[in-house]
Amino acid sequence: DVKVTQSSRYLVKRTGEKVFLECVQDMDHENMFWYRQDPGLGLRLIYFSYDVKMKEKGDIPEGYSVSREKKERFSLILESASTNQTSMYLCASIQGYNSPLHFGNGTRLTVT
Amino acid sequence: AQKITQTQPGMFVQEKEAVTLDCTYDTSDPSYGLFWYKQPSSGEMIFLIYQGSYDQQNATEGRYSLNFQKARKSANLVISASQLGDSAMYFCAMRPTSGTYKYIFGTGTRLKVLA
Repeated sequence: DVKVTQSSRYLVKRTGEKVFLECVQDMDHENMFWYRQDPGLGLRLIYFSYDVKMKEKGDIPEGYSVSREKKERFSLILESASTNQTSMYLCASIQGYNSPLHFGNGTRLTVT
Repeated sequence: AQKITQTQPGMFVQEKEAVTLDCTYDTSDPSYGLFWYKQPSSGEMIFLIYQGSYDQQNATEGRYSLNFQKARKSANLVISASQLGDSAMYFCAMRPTSGTYKYIFGTGTRLKVLA
């Protein structure tokens, strides 16, 4: 079974802090994703990566950046956390075009 | 515009009964895929079922089936013989265009199964 692991289940950070959310997958998937989930808005794509060091903006990239130095690891960075970035963050990876997304358990981030 | 619409924010169903969760989609692409995911209170997103736009038959996976009506652009999830463990948030998603991984998600339906 594919395992996607997010390093933190819950995080509390202060406004202005730099925040790193880490995600690791163990199935050699080329494509990895970061989503944000908010009530009533569903899942919205922040960034995705289709190869090492390659990335593409999703629908809501503002205030975020990403890093993919190794195939198995995809990091989401909040350069200067703000309260409106309080949310659930979900990492996912995918094997092929018609395959389902495999998700991590999510990181619930609170910015105070 | 590419869009997924789930019009039922919340639903109740009695244990052992069947329930249908609605999903309509909007795309002009001839090739697309439709997915359903379950999200229990623990937060993990679990893949349930997939339907390709060119599939001739409705997808089924155990107690889950997808009622795919292409002309109406609907992809409703049917859960038969509901169980208490089916209580969760359910998301419909679409992979709209060949060659892109920009999946689009609906806003979800929260299902509560009653004993």
